[in-house]
Amino acid sequence: DTEVTQTPKHLVMGMTNKKSLKCEQHMGHRAMYWYKQKAKKPPELMFVYSYEKLSINESVPSRFSPECPNSSLLNLHLHALQPEDSALYLCASSQDGGVAFFGQGTRLTVV
Amino acid sequence: GEDVEQSLFLSVREGDSSVINCTYTDSSSTYLYWYKQEPGAGLQLLTYIFSNMDMKQDQRLTVLLNKKDKHLSLRIADTQTGDSAIYFCAESIEGTYKYIFGTGTRLKVLA
Repeated sequence: DTEVTQTPKHLVMGMTNKKSLKCEQHMGHRAMYWYKQKAKKPPELMFVYSYEKLSINESVPSRFSPECPNSSLLNLHLHALQPEDSALYLCASSQDGGVAFFGQGTRLTVV
Repeated sequence: GEDVEQSLFLSVREGDSSVINCTYTDSSSTYLYWYKQEPGAGLQLLTYIFSNMDMKQDQRLTVLLNKKDKHLSLRIADTQTGDSAIYFCAESIEGTYKYIFGTGTRLKVLA
């Protein structure tokens, strides 16, 4: 099983809403990642959790709040987003810094 | 520095071979990857190569790595219309959780 599952697949939210993106993997990977991808651009790293601890935050605005409840789950809590935050949000996992597997992404639209 | 470059666009006829090229600058990479992204979807790991190898073949895919020139290529034999997508090369950097992505090459396969 090399699957990373993300929910929901699509999300539309208003600028005053609070929502969460979820990611799950059962490959026993201890590193999990959030990436943001704008159309026709490569993914940009947002956060990395290693062994359930936040190890990298790429200067992401505080309206994005990651959480790693356990080694299989990763959440991204969203609050007071802006229209420019609309993008495809990708979750990935790897065994330490090895081969990374990506989910199908959540297409987020902020209205 | 960290920089990965790809040509933006490639068009081939169905049944021909496609060759997608990538150059990178960081010599401390551990693995180099090729990901495929279809419209609206996440990143699908196609293949990867360890940095001390120079070739890897997997069915229709052949990866060549020239570490001296920091050049990576992906050859797709007998290209099909289903291969039309954006292809990203990426490298993982030793001792970090960072994956550096190329700009992506849009492959269009003409029937």
